[in-house]
Formats: sequence, C-alpha cells, structure tokens
Amino acid sequence: KAGVTQTPRYLIKTRGQQVTLSCSPISGHRSVSWYQQTPGQGLQFLFEYFSETQRNKGNFPGRFSGRQFSNSRSEMNVSTLELGDSALYLCASSFPSEKLFFGSGTQLSVL
Amino acid sequence: DQQVKQNSPSLSVQEGRISILNCDYTNSMFDYFLWYKKYPAEGPTFLISISSIKDKNEDGRFTVFLNKSAKHLSLHIVPSQPGDSAVYFCAAIPGGYSGAGSYQLTFGKGTKLSVIP
Repeated sequence: KAGVTQTPRYLIKTRGQQVTLSCSPISGHRSVSWYQQTPGQGLQFLFEYFSETQRNKGNFPGRFSGRQFSNSRSEMNVSTLELGDSALYLCASSFPSEKLFFGSGTQLSVL
Repeated sequence: DQQVKQNSPSLSVQEGRISILNCDYTNSMFDYFLWYKKYPAEGPTFLISISSIKDKNEDGRFTVFLNKSAKHLSLHIVPSQPGDSAVYFCAAIPGGYSGAGSYQLTFGKGTKLSVIP
C-alpha cells in the first residue's frame, strides 16, 4: 500500500508570495491533517479535513487555508508568505483513527 | 503555553542498554497518548500508544508507561539498538473522541535519542 505522498519536497519562495502544497493520502483514508514543524515550536496542528469538510482548525492566521477533494487528496495554501512561515509542512492521513500516518513533508523556505 | 512537554532535548545511550524517554502534560482532558519516531528527511512514524484507562502498554522492545496522577508518561526501549537513533515525539489527544471523530494531536517538541554502538 502506498504511503502518504506530499509534493513538492522542497520549495523556495520570497516574502509576499503564496504557495500551494499537495497531499495524497493512503488509499481508503478519508481524514487528512496538516501540521507545521519548526525547530522552536515543534509540531503544531494546522487543520483537519474529512469528506471535503474542515472539521478542526489550529491557532494559525487566516493566511493558512486548505481544502480536500472528493478523492480525499488535500491541498494547503499559504498566502502573503512571511519569513516565519519557513518550516516543514507535514500531511497525515487516517481512516480516521487516532493513529496518523505522515508523509515526508514539504520543506518550505521563505527568503 | 505548552501542554505536552519533553524536557530532555537529547539523550545518549549505549547499545544494549535501556532508553527512557519522558513526557509530561498539563491538560487533564488528554486521555490518549502516542509516541512517534522521526528520522531526518522523513515524516513521523507511529510507534506505540496508550489509553488513559491503562497504565502500561507493551509492543516488543517498546513499553509505554502512564502515570495519570502525575500527568507523566515514559517510553522505554529495551534493548536499545543503533537503528533506534531518531527524534521521538510524544503526542496527546483530548477525550471525547469517537471512531469517526476529529483527531487533533498535540505534540511535544521531541527528544533526540542517540544510541552509541
């Protein structure tokens, strides 16, 4: 069974730009969550989608948004990028259950 | 305010000995706990979990202990192997979740374990 696939693996953007990250969950998994990992804050929850609906959202500004498609694939978007948005963005899928399966992440660098 | 704390950023252990990784939490609503392992350039991988109705869960070389009164859990790895060298994250989920609920994990900042051959 293929794992969670995130694209792209690396991104370099400049301040003010916007970025879209993609996540393909494990086949059969209907819940997709997004987490931001930074050295200072660790892993922080961004949002969770199930059946194309956002069910839960973390404490991030409105510049961070996401969506889920009917095939459970998900995208997250960050608009008006700031230097502090540089991080590893991790997508996780689940059936849903408490056991999340993570992708390898997208490393975003904002210059 | 950090609700899940891993106070040791790093730990070094000799191969064959026991590794003990600790985690404290402050939110009494947490009632399910998980440990994840992360290698560089990879996403976290689920290792072991424990429900608050238990005080111990074992899976091979890995055992997690939960002390609810102290709001403390620990992961024991016996014996430690060089392949166990990774960053270990403790995570917690608040109660009230159900089979199709929304699972929002709160993570600690991780402990980097180095197992020395």
